[in-house]
Amino acid sequence: SQELEQSPQSLIVQEGKNLTINCTSSKTLYGLYWYKQKYGEGLIFLMMLQKGGEEKSHEKITAKLDEKKQQSSLHITASQPSHAGIYLCGAGKDDKIIFGKGTRLHILP
Amino acid sequence: GAVVSQHPSWVICKSGTSVKIECRSLDFQATTMFWYRQFPKQSLMLMATSNEGSKATYEQGVEKDKFLINHASLTLSTLTVTSAHPEDSSFYICSARGGGVEAFFGQGTRLTVV
Repeated sequence: SQELEQSPQSLIVQEGKNLTINCTSSKTLYGLYWYKQKYGEGLIFLMMLQKGGEEKSHEKITAKLDEKKQQSSLHITASQPSHAGIYLCGAGKDDKIIFGKGTRLHILP
Repeated sequence: GAVVSQHPSWVICKSGTSVKIECRSLDFQATTMFWYRQFPKQSLMLMATSNEGSKATYEQGVEKDKFLINHASLTLSTLTVTSAHPEDSSFYICSARGGGVEAFFGQGTRLTVV
């Protein structure tokens, strides 16, 4: 079965600093999703990547999918307190999404 | 983006009783809905996939008689936790998909069984 590994598990950064979260799959990704979750709340869709080498940006968040389609990275530029939360990568499999364990991001003021 | 509404946001019930959680797509028709469970500080675990008008497909290890899923219309799916026990306490989240690849999530339901 496909497994997603996210790193780091937890991240604490100073406000204004850049950061990167990684997501590695044991199998080829045919659709890679990035979601953000506030503690105890639902998920907010960030981006979806499908093609090898694809890169998408939304405000200060950029996500990339490598050429082999087995690894994705999420990069946040000039982090803000509003970026704090849990970032989850998900792999599209058949008609469903299977998630990694998430990365907990804390932003220090 | 599209809106998925989950109700209730939180519920407390007595052990042995049943609890129903609703998931509604407010502005689109959801051909497929998904139910996830999330334990504290852990990721989302897919429980089942439901398509409108047909039986839900459960993931391995999920008891279908325990977690009853109904997807009677294109805008509503329900999850009923039957004979709930304290170990069923968790955060349950639904997601819905229309014709596209994007899945939209509800705000979740925190179930506490006492």
